[in-house]
Amino acid sequence: EDQVTQSPEALRLQEGESSSLNCSYTVSGLRGLFWYRQDPGKGPEFLFTLYSAGEEKEKERLKATLTKKESFLHITAPKPEDSATYLCAVQASSNTGKLIFGQGTTLQVKP
Amino acid sequence: DTAVSQTPKYLVTQMGNDKSIKCEQNLGHDTMYWYKQDSKKFLKIMFSYNNKELIINETVPNRFSPKSPDKAHLNLHINSLELGDSAVYFCASSQMVGGGEQYFGPGTRLTVT
Repeated sequence: EDQVTQSPEALRLQEGESSSLNCSYTVSGLRGLFWYRQDPGKGPEFLFTLYSAGEEKEKERLKATLTKKESFLHITAPKPEDSATYLCAVQASSNTGKLIFGQGTTLQVKP
Repeated sequence: DTAVSQTPKYLVTQMGNDKSIKCEQNLGHDTMYWYKQDSKKFLKIMFSYNNKELIINETVPNRFSPKSPDKAHLNLHINSLELGDSAVYFCASSQMVGGGEQYFGPGTRLTVT
């Protein structure tokens, strides 16, 4: 069964304190791995897509990496506005397009 | 311009009632989805339509019936609402079926009392 597990569930950082979020997955043929950001009361906002092991994508203070079993979202020198829930999802190569989400990591960055 | 929009934003209703949630996307995408987010923030696929054709139906009770009048709209009708239906429902769209990033609407918080 396709599955996504994110850790930690919650993370508190001081402003400027870099860290990483983990997304472990099992999927029958990976079509893509997606990272989303979700603010309270809003819909998930697309951040990155990774397609193959070794691939990396960057956006401002965020960098996503992918291996055959997991993905990391590295946050460098975070700011309070980076506080949100970060969701990881996989899409299998079964051609239906559905995303299988992890439970998310809630990040709080304190000034 | 809002890419994926949903109405209403909040919906409070009593058990046994029938309600609908509307979704529209102006991205020109061919595929639309409904997801349910439970109280633990876990997002799960419910339905997917590609150009008005049902692609995914993920073991959702048949009280839930999606309808796609055209590829820019995907509505969700729920009959005989139950307490367990309380959740946030998100509409999403993608350019093509089977792959690519999905863009989500703002969500509809449904509360059944």
